[in-house]
Parts: sequence; C-alpha cells; structure tokens
Amino acid sequence: AQSVAQPEDQVNVAEGNPLTVKCTYSVSGNPYLFWYVQYPNRGLQFLLKYITGDNLVKGSYGFEAEFNKSQTSFHLKKPSALVSDSALYFCAVRGPYNFNKFYFGSGTKLNVKP
Amino acid sequence: GAVVSQHPSRVICKSGTSVKIECRSLDFQATTMFWYRQFPKKSLMLMATSNEGSKATYEQGVEKDKFLINHASLTLSTLTVTSAHPEDSSFYICSARDGSRAANTGELFFGEGSRLTVL
Repeated sequence: AQSVAQPEDQVNVAEGNPLTVKCTYSVSGNPYLFWYVQYPNRGLQFLLKYITGDNLVKGSYGFEAEFNKSQTSFHLKKPSALVSDSALYFCAVRGPYNFNKFYFGSGTKLNVKP
Repeated sequence: GAVVSQHPSRVICKSGTSVKIECRSLDFQATTMFWYRQFPKKSLMLMATSNEGSKATYEQGVEKDKFLINHASLTLSTLTVTSAHPEDSSFYICSARDGSRAANTGELFFGEGSRLTVL
C-alpha cells in the first residue's frame, strides 16, 4: 500500500535560516513524489516533483527536495526562509501503477518568524 | 502550469438544501478530475474520481447519493452536495491532471477550493 508520513505538524524557523520539512513514503515500486503548498483558504499549488533522475530536485520559490531511496524520504528544503513561505505544506506520493491515485501526507504548517 | 478554476469559493446554505460546486480546467482537457475534502485539521481526503462521460468512482465510505458528481465535458466536473447538513460543512477542493502530458509526469493541478458552510 502507498502512504506518506509527515512527522511534524508544525515547523518554526526564523527568517533567513534554512528550513526543512520532512516527508517519508511507502510505495510499491518506484515512487513519484510531489510537494504542494497551501495558503489559507486556497487550493494547493505545485512546488516540485521527483519522477526519476537526479536525487536533488529544484522547484518553485527557491525550494528543493532530496530524494533518498535508502531512507525512503523526500524532505523539502530551502536555504533561506522568508516570512512569505509561511503556509501549509503537503507531501504526496503516486504509485507507478495507478496514475490517478495520489496519497497525501497530513500536512506540515511552516511558520517563518521575522 | 495548467489552470483549474473552482466556483463558488464560498457558499452558505440552509440545512436540507443542495449545493453545486463547479470545477473547470481552463487551458487543458481533463478526462479525469478528482474531488477532495479537507477537514479542519488539514488532512486531504480523496472523495471520488470523476471520469468524463462515465460514472464517478467513489472512495470507500463516501456516499455517492450524497455527493453527486457529473463530468459532462472534458473541461467541467461538478460536485453536488445533496440535502446538506452541518456536518457536510468543509473545504472542498477539485483537481485535475492534464491528459495531454505523459502520464508518468502528471502532477495534479488544484482549484482554489470551495468553503461550504451549512447552517
């Protein structure tokens, strides 16, 4: 069965500091991994994805994520956080055999303080 | 990226009435759309997969007679909450995948969500 875990409900970081939002996954076969961001009362916006290739994936707004197969992780990172990065972040996995089924983590609220 | 439009963004209705939410893909054709419900503690629950020209596929535990889904064209899916009750109050989000892209790269594109409040 496919699943995603985001172990932190909330992450607090000071502006200018690096940030990491954690995600681990469980999937049969090669995973397709995604990060989305949600601002209050808005839909989800796509940030980045890993399908194959380089383990370090760069996405929108300066975010990147590192795929680690041995640790089954896909942590989201940014070298220098901005207050405007404060939002809800979702990790998602899609199995290779069912293109329509996305499994979302429970979300992590990122708070960036000035 | 592809644009998905959802309407209305907010709706308040009386208990017992029905509410329709529209989801449109604006610049691509979506043979498949998805409806999610987001609960106050933020988790997203997939309710159903909407297939153009055929019946929707509902997830376990979702009442298909309560949440009617129609996908009459390649750019429009609708979710109708029938005989709404206060416990149906939630944030409903639709999403779609651009079917013209290779299936194995297809991220989902989301609408802006619809906040339903049932009094």
